[in-house]
Amino acid sequence: SQQGEEDPQALSIQEGENATMNCSYKTSINNLQWYRQNSGRGLVHLILIRSNEREKHSGRLRVTLDTSKKSSSLLITASRAADTASYFCATDARGNQFYFGTGTSLTVIP
Amino acid sequence: GAGVSQTPSNKVTEKGKYVELRCDPISGHTALYWYRQSLGQGPEFLIYFQGTGAADDSGLPNDRFFAVRPEGSVSTLKIQRTERGDSAVYLCASSLGGGAYQETQYFGPGTRLLVL
Repeated sequence: SQQGEEDPQALSIQEGENATMNCSYKTSINNLQWYRQNSGRGLVHLILIRSNEREKHSGRLRVTLDTSKKSSSLLITASRAADTASYFCATDARGNQFYFGTGTSLTVIP
Repeated sequence: GAGVSQTPSNKVTEKGKYVELRCDPISGHTALYWYRQSLGQGPEFLIYFQGTGAADDSGLPNDRFFAVRPEGSVSTLKIQRTERGDSAVYLCASSLGGGAYQETQYFGPGTRLLVL
């Protein structure tokens, strides 16, 4: 079973707009990671946030983590058509195992 | 440098056949993971290796699935008596060392398995 759930399942925005997607999880974690996947193949790591961190930035990406609500959000600012992909959160609920959510499918319209 | 590679890219087999899927991790990475991803779903954990040993194989769905990593580098995922429900993309990932919760996993492009 999968620990994380992303919301929304699908998101369509115009180029230049910001995209926000959320992840909720069930059990306590050590860290939470966001990945991106194009065309159902290999995943690309975007950002890792540890349980004692609340916010992290990387370029146009901003991730927040609220451990009290067991949730995280990924914000992509000034979106580009090339950002079109599926985005997954992954948590390490059982140490060596990573649990991935079901993903948010983002479409950025040029 | 070279990333994680997986072969074959695609595999079509018949129900009941045996298949092997190969993963070449990033050189020097001691941790290796196998995942399975069905259409419209996130990757599902199968097994984790630390060096040559399977540190956690609790994600393997049944005893038809087996994986090895005899020299602590290349890994092979083996599926016996394949079933149509085994059709999925099989992803491999590696990370630098142990303590997975501290580290980024680097994924290969996956092997798309289709069981007819």
